[in-house]
Amino acid sequence: DVKVTQSSRYLVKRTGEKVFLECVQDMDHENMFWYRQDPGLGLRLIYFSYDVKMKEKGDIPEGYSVSREKKERFSLILESASTNQTSMYLCASSLKPGPGSREQYFGPGTRLTVT
Amino acid sequence: AQSVAQPEDQVNVAEGNPLTVKCTYSVSGNPYLFWYVQYPNRGLQFLLKYITGDNLVKGSYGFEAEFNKSQTSFHLKKPSALVSDSALYFCAVSSGEGDDKIIFGKGTRLHILP
Repeated sequence: DVKVTQSSRYLVKRTGEKVFLECVQDMDHENMFWYRQDPGLGLRLIYFSYDVKMKEKGDIPEGYSVSREKKERFSLILESASTNQTSMYLCASSLKPGPGSREQYFGPGTRLTVT
Repeated sequence: AQSVAQPEDQVNVAEGNPLTVKCTYSVSGNPYLFWYVQYPNRGLQFLLKYITGDNLVKGSYGFEAEFNKSQTSFHLKKPSALVSDSALYFCAVSSGEGDDKIIFGKGTRLHILP
């Protein structure tokens, strides 16, 4: 079974702090994704990565950055946390596309509160 | 541009009755279609997918989904609902033209009433 783990289930940070969210997958997947989930808005893609040291902006990258130094690890960074970044953050991974390989596998999520 | 619509924010079904959660999509080219389920305070779990072939796709926990190309729909179904099916369900679509991204719908909350 694919396993995607996230460093924290719950996190409380103060406005202006730098926040690191870590994600690790153990299935040698090429693709990794960061989403935020908010009630009524569904999942919105923040950043994704197709390979080590590669990153692509998603739909809402402002206020975030990412790092992928190793294939299994994808970090989301909030450079200066703000209250509007309070949300559930979900990491996912998938294989490179091929027949039937596009489904994404999700971690348990990190619920971040910025006060 | 790809898009997914889940027209119902919430669906209520009595236990034992059949359930349907609706999804329509828009995509250029052939679609890859997915359903995911999310239980409280958990990540999303993959339920099933349609890539090609039979229009009726069977997945986990007794769920199935029917692909209808003319109606651009991919409704999730189960013949007999369980209380434990109560959760948030997401439909998602990916274009078959090289993009690895998946576009998610906003989700439908399913309540199974005992």
